[in-house]
Amino acid sequence: QVQLQESGPGLVKPSQTLSLTCTVAGGSAISGNYYWTWIRQPAGKALEWIGRIYKTGSTSYNPSLKSRVTISVDTSTNQFSLTLRSVTAADTAVYYCARDGLRGYNDYWGRGTLVTVSS
Amino acid sequence: QSVLTQPPSVSAAPGQMVTISCSGSSSNIGGNYVAWYQQLPGTAPKLLIFDNNERPSGIPDRFSGSKSGTSATLGITGLQTGDEADYYCGTWDSRLSAVVFGGGTKLTVL
Repeated sequence: QVQLQESGPGLVKPSQTLSLTCTVAGGSAISGNYYWTWIRQPAGKALEWIGRIYKTGSTSYNPSLKSRVTISVDTSTNQFSLTLRSVTAADTAVYYCARDGLRGYNDYWGRGTLVTVSS
Repeated sequence: QSVLTQPPSVSAAPGQMVTISCSGSSSNIGGNYVAWYQQLPGTAPKLLIFDNNERPSGIPDRFSGSKSGTSATLGITGLQTGDEADYYCGTWDSRLSAVVFGGGTKLTVL
């Protein structure tokens, strides 16, 4: 069984950088033939895809966030990370990490972590 | 404004059937596989359907998916109160080179 767990600060100040890590356990973990994805959801709103990374480091990003986002992977620790720069209140959301089965569907999800952007 | 269009809400009585539509374009639904997710209140989304009409292990056959052209549909039969949730469609968009989601549909089981 694959398990994902998000970790990182729950509060970030405006204009600063949001950093989250997702730890993957089970299955073939990060080394398997999957993409590893970040998705967010503001309260009461729809899911928003942030981007994904393959074990080789190859990435794809949401065009609307691309200038501020970096996703990286560390296969030695079975972790992948999200960095979102210059945050504003509009970046306040629950952030999920998930596994992507190579055809755009996410079959395993973390529980999500709430990140609030506020001074 | 979501790339994929879903009705904001649907409702039906217990035991009945309901369908939820998801409309897109040739760059997303028209040329790629569609997935459906169920999100119960306060929880992470759960994959219900992938590759247009495939169910992951453990998902009952009350849930079904179909695709025609640039639209997709999720069907739920034998509605239960436990099916009350938000449902999202998602797919790859070849023009954006990104995964896109619908705005979500709230299912109420009356």
